[in-house]
Amino acid sequence: GQQLNQSPQSMFIQEGEDVSMNCTSSSIFNTWLWYKQDPGEGPVLLIALYKAGELTSNGRLTAQFGITRKDSFLNISASIPSDVGIYFCAGQGQGAQKLVFGQGTRLTINP
Amino acid sequence: NAGVMQNPRHLVRRRGQEARLRCSPVKGHSHVYWYRQLPEEGLKFMVYLQKENIIDESGMPKERFSAEFPKEGPSILRIQQVVRGDSAAYFCASSPLGGQSTDTQYFGPGTRLTVL
Repeated sequence: GQQLNQSPQSMFIQEGEDVSMNCTSSSIFNTWLWYKQDPGEGPVLLIALYKAGELTSNGRLTAQFGITRKDSFLNISASIPSDVGIYFCAGQGQGAQKLVFGQGTRLTINP
Repeated sequence: NAGVMQNPRHLVRRRGQEARLRCSPVKGHSHVYWYRQLPEEGLKFMVYLQKENIIDESGMPKERFSAEFPKEGPSILRIQQVVRGDSAAYFCASSPLGGQSTDTQYFGPGTRLTVL
């Protein structure tokens, strides 16, 4: 089946640092999504990407849909304590409604 | 979480019992998805339903698991004769459009199932 490889698995950074994480796949996806999950809660959508090459920002977050359709990255600039959590990439294939999720990147911030 | 409601939030069952998980989608959404998340892992797709129809159940185990989304009322994920390996967080998502590429799935807070 389709799989997404997300890296890094975890990050420990200082408050104010920039963060970068990415997802790669052996399959093509038509949609890339980035979600954040806080402990005990469901994933919350951060950014949705629908076109190869698309670069989209949401506040301090920027994400890109890779030109090959097999990868995506998420950057967070000037991290703050509330950015702590687990970030998931998810892909959606042609004609498929189901989302395929990466394994997650756990972000920890030292004040 | 854009209004998707799930209950109960926590459910404890003994081996062999039945678990019933409920999901009320965002008002006006007619597409529901169920995902399972094991500790330290990403979410795994189980089943996709529209009102009264199962569209894709490719991620759902063939035995003991069933799902429905009736014309009236919430979607139900039912697990019969639970085993310890069923312990996980089960998330429901809903979307308004279903088949369109720009459709967005909104997730509920999940039900944490613990099987003793």
